[in-house]
Amino acid sequence: NAGVTQTPKFQVLKTGQSMTLQCAQDMNHEYMSWYRQDPGMGLRLIHYSVGAGITDQGEVPNGYNVSRSTTEDFPLRLLSAAPSQTSVYFCASSSYKVYGYTFGSGTRLTVV
Amino acid sequence: TQLLEQSPQFLSIQEGENLTVYCNSSSVFSSLQWYRQEPGEGPVLLVTVVTGGEVKKLKRLTFQFGDARKDSSLHITAAQPGDTGLYLCAENNNNDMRFGAGTRLTVKP
Repeated sequence: NAGVTQTPKFQVLKTGQSMTLQCAQDMNHEYMSWYRQDPGMGLRLIHYSVGAGITDQGEVPNGYNVSRSTTEDFPLRLLSAAPSQTSVYFCASSSYKVYGYTFGSGTRLTVV
Repeated sequence: TQLLEQSPQFLSIQEGENLTVYCNSSSVFSSLQWYRQEPGEGPVLLVTVVTGGEVKKLKRLTFQFGDARKDSSLHITAAQPGDTGLYLCAENNNNDMRFGAGTRLTVKP
C-alpha cells in the first residue's frame, strides 16, 4: 500500500516556467489537498478537493491551478513560476477529515 | 491569517526530561489533530481529539483537549532523541484543515 505518492521530490525552475506537481493516492480517499510549507509559517492550504470533479481554493491559491478528474490523482499546476513560490509542497488525502490526513513526502521546489 | 497559536516555537531538552507543548485558538475547535513531522518527510498523524476534556495516551505521549475546546496540550514523559521533530496541531474547519506553525522539539542524548 503506497499511500500518497508525490513526484518529483526536488525541482528547480526558472522564473516564468510552468510545471505540474503530481500527487496520487491508492486509498480511495475522497478528500485531497495541497499545502505549502514555509519556515515559520506552518502549512498553508493552496487548493483542496472533496471528490472527483470538485475543487476549491484554499488560503493561498494565486498562481496555482488544480483539477480532479479521478479519485486517485490531484495534480497541482504552477502557471508561471515566481521566486515567491519557492517552498516545500505537500499533498494529503483523507477518507473523512476528522480522522486526519495522510501526507506525501513532499516536493521541494526552488524558483530562481 | 493563522488561527492556531502553538507554543513554544522551539524547545531543546535533554533525554529523560518531561515537556509540554500547547495549541490555542480564539474560536472553538470542532476537532483537533496533532501531527509529528521529521526532516524531509510529511507530517504523520498522532491523534485526533473531538470531545472537550478528552485525554488520550499514546505510549509516553499524553494529549489533552480543553473543556471549552479552545486549547490542547501534548505532554511527553521521559523524552527520547527519537521524539525530535516538528509537532503540529491542526483544526478541522469548514473548508479543510488549518495548521499551526508548530513546535520544533530537539531532544539531546
